[in-house]
Amino acid sequence: SQKIEQNSEALNIQEGKTATLTCNYTNYSPAYLQWYRQDPGRGPVFLLLIRENEKEKRKERLKVTFDTTLKQSLFHITASQPADSATYLCAPPDQAGTALIFGKGTTLSVSS
Amino acid sequence: KAGVTQTPRYLIKTRGQQVTLSCSPISGHRSVSWYQQTPGQGLQFLFEYFSETQRNKGNFPGRFSGRQFSNSRSEMNVSTLELGDSALYLCASSPLPRTGGPSEQYFGPGTRLTVT
Repeated sequence: SQKIEQNSEALNIQEGKTATLTCNYTNYSPAYLQWYRQDPGRGPVFLLLIRENEKEKRKERLKVTFDTTLKQSLFHITASQPADSATYLCAPPDQAGTALIFGKGTTLSVSS
Repeated sequence: KAGVTQTPRYLIKTRGQQVTLSCSPISGHRSVSWYQQTPGQGLQFLFEYFSETQRNKGNFPGRFSGRQFSNSRSEMNVSTLELGDSALYLCASSPLPRTGGPSEQYFGPGTRLTVT
């Protein structure tokens, strides 16, 4: 069955550095993938969507890549700030395209 | 536009009881999905409703059910509560049904259910 893995449960970096989060999927090839941010006690907030025919997508300091050969998406935050501290979730659709499958998330902590 | 609202925000119930949670989607959104979030399993899809019809269902027992009203508001019900049902229940709305193509989900703040 399809499986989504976000490699790191936690990532600690210093302010100003680039944070790179990884999302790997196995046993299928999703047509797109979404990334969400979740703060404690709140619902996830949509950040970016990337389709399988797009290698890279950018939004302000955020960049997402989608490598269908490696079955991997990378999420980058450049010039990170303490306000970027949160849990980041990747979410491709399931094989039938009927539901989103969420990874367990990577909790990013940016220290000043 | 007002965001997705969920009521109540917090709930404590006893094993064996039943509970009903409510969700009001963003105005104009006709798709409402429900998710369960726990520390161990993460965010898991429960079901999706579009135009008052259940379109998709996740891998949860029949104790979990839902419905959607003509104004797109949705409720989910859990009967015969178990300790393992303690979780954050999140509702998300979208302008399109999941099978209509990729569209972002707009999540509410969730209802924190504790079963004792």
